[in-house]
Amino acid sequence: AQTVTQSQPEMSVQEAETVTLSCTYDTSESDYYLFWYKQPPSRQMILVIRQEAYKQQNATENRFSVNFQKAAKSFSLKISDSQLGDAAMYFCAYSDTNAGKSTFGDGTTLTVKP
Amino acid sequence: ETGVTQSPTHLIKTRGQQVTLRCSSQSGHNTVSWYQQALGQGPQFIFQYYREEENGRGNFPPRFSGLQFPNYSSELNVNALELDDSALYLCASSLDVSPLEQFFGPGTRLTVL
Repeated sequence: AQTVTQSQPEMSVQEAETVTLSCTYDTSESDYYLFWYKQPPSRQMILVIRQEAYKQQNATENRFSVNFQKAAKSFSLKISDSQLGDAAMYFCAYSDTNAGKSTFGDGTTLTVKP
Repeated sequence: ETGVTQSPTHLIKTRGQQVTLRCSSQSGHNTVSWYQQALGQGPQFIFQYYREEENGRGNFPPRFSGLQFPNYSSELNVNALELDDSALYLCASSLDVSPLEQFFGPGTRLTVL
């Protein structure tokens, strides 16, 4: 079974600084999807960024980028120029390409200090 | 385009009761997945419905059951509620099972006393 591990329960960053959230996963599949979701106190889970495992290039979405290391099964999220609105719980998630279910880590709570 | 909606927002039940949670999928989506998110944890996959048929199930007992209707809305039913069923229940809709464009609803907070 696939597992996702987020080893940082809490992280904090100063506004305008950069922070990196860590995620490792375990799978025997060669093709799969990885995601970072943001869950603010309003509870609605929002997709931040996704990576398809067959793509070697790291995904980037504005201030958000990932460092995807397939051999190491590592998928970290970098948030540049952090903003107060980035404060939330961040979840790393894994999905097989042929199945709709996602396996989530236990999340990292990100605090942004003004 | 209408997003994913869930009802009710909050619910309080007592142990042994039954509960039904509802989810309306995003317009154009034919797949609904349900997740249970206990406090301080990540969501756990309960099951998925694709075109009105169950299409995968997580490690949850049979007292967790579901339905998907012709308009692709869905229900999650939980019988014989236990204290540990207290959680946030999330539904997510997508097109043709693919998780690439999976949109989540705001969740239903269930408290079992």
